[in-house]
Amino acid sequence: AQSVTQLGSHVSVSEGALVLLRCNYSSSVPPYLFWYVQYPNQGLQLLLKYTTGATLVKGINGFEAEFKKSETSFHLTKPSAHMSDAAEYFCAVGRGTGFQKLVFGTGTRLLVSP
Amino acid sequence: DGGITQSPKYLFRKEGQNVTLSCEQNLNHDAMYWYRQDPGQGLRLIYYSQIVNDFQKGDIAEGYSVSREKKESFPLTVTSAQKNPTAFYLCASSIGGGAGTGELFFGEGSRLTVL
Repeated sequence: AQSVTQLGSHVSVSEGALVLLRCNYSSSVPPYLFWYVQYPNQGLQLLLKYTTGATLVKGINGFEAEFKKSETSFHLTKPSAHMSDAAEYFCAVGRGTGFQKLVFGTGTRLLVSP
Repeated sequence: DGGITQSPKYLFRKEGQNVTLSCEQNLNHDAMYWYRQDPGQGLRLIYYSQIVNDFQKGDIAEGYSVSREKKESFPLTVTSAQKNPTAFYLCASSIGGGAGTGELFFGEGSRLTVL
């Protein structure tokens, strides 16, 4: 079975500060890992994904995440927060190729203050 | 542009009424999904379909029904048996089969409120 834990339902940062959203996963097979962003009353949009290969993954809007197998983590970072980054972020894990059902974390709401 | 279209975006229903949420995709994806989103609970899978004329229950299927008569369409009916239907509903699709990475593509969602 797979699972995802997102530490912190809310994270607050100031504009220009580092953004760090935490995600730990559990998987019995090599995982595929995803970060999605959701703006109010909208669907989810893919930020980035890790499948195989390079463990540091760069995504849209300046976000990146690093897959650390030894720590079973896939934390999302951005060097400098912008007001437009305020949204809810979801981490998800999948089993790899072929049909799969992604398992989502409960989400972290990022608040950005001026 | 390819994508997923959900309608209606907002829907109000009286208790005891069934309501159907529409989901159409033009991405030529085999797999489609319905998720329910409640504050603080993330996304919970209601139903999914890997191929036309076939679908499976997800984690919270009670009180819901679906059909998959066409590859492009995967409507969700919220029945009167669903005890707490007020929620935000998200439809998604993925390439499916043996291809792809499992990445999901989402619609804009439908917010159902039971009065």
